[in-house]
Amino acid sequence: AQSVAQPEDQVNVAEGNPLTVKCTYSVSGNPYLFWYVQYPNRGLQFLLKYITGDNLVKGSYGFEAEFNKSQTSFHLKKPSALVSDSALYFCAVREWGAGSYQLTFGKGTKLSVIP
Amino acid sequence: SQTIHQWPATLVQPVGSPLSLECTVEGTSNPNLYWYRQAAGRGLQLLFYSVGIGQISSEVPQNLSASRPQDRQFILSSKKLLLSDSGFYLCAWSVRTSGRGETQYFGPGTRLLVL
Repeated sequence: AQSVAQPEDQVNVAEGNPLTVKCTYSVSGNPYLFWYVQYPNRGLQFLLKYITGDNLVKGSYGFEAEFNKSQTSFHLKKPSALVSDSALYFCAVREWGAGSYQLTFGKGTKLSVIP
Repeated sequence: SQTIHQWPATLVQPVGSPLSLECTVEGTSNPNLYWYRQAAGRGLQLLFYSVGIGQISSEVPQNLSASRPQDRQFILSSKKLLLSDSGFYLCAWSVRTSGRGETQYFGPGTRLLVL
């Protein structure tokens, strides 16, 4: 079975500082990994994904994530946080070759960027 | 470009009443379609997915059902709502490919409150 853990319910960071939102996953084989962002009362917006290839993935709004197979992690990062980055962030995983289309989401991490 | 619509945006219904939520996608053909529920605790739960007209797969047994009467239309229904059906319902679509690495794109969501 596939699973995702986001160990931090909330992350606070000062504006202009680098930010990291952590994600670890568990699959039997190789993973597809995704990051989404959700603003209040809105749907999820796709940020980036890892399929294969380069371990460093660049996405929307200056976000990037690094796939680390040995640590089964896919942490989301941004060099300089903006107040407008404050939102709920979800990591998700699907296993290669899995019969189901199910995308398993973490419980989300609330990011607050303090002016 | 592709867009996804959901309506209504907000719905307040009494216990025992029927439910119909609609999702439509524009700008693509033969999409995979998904219904998720997001409870107050943030996590997303896949309820149904569809790979074609009339083809519905249920991930979780419950009080809800789904139908796909047209290629780009996905409907979530219930004959009798329960209090536990309250939540934020999200529709999503993805390009249909042979693999499982396709990105899911989410609609704006419907907030359902059952009283």
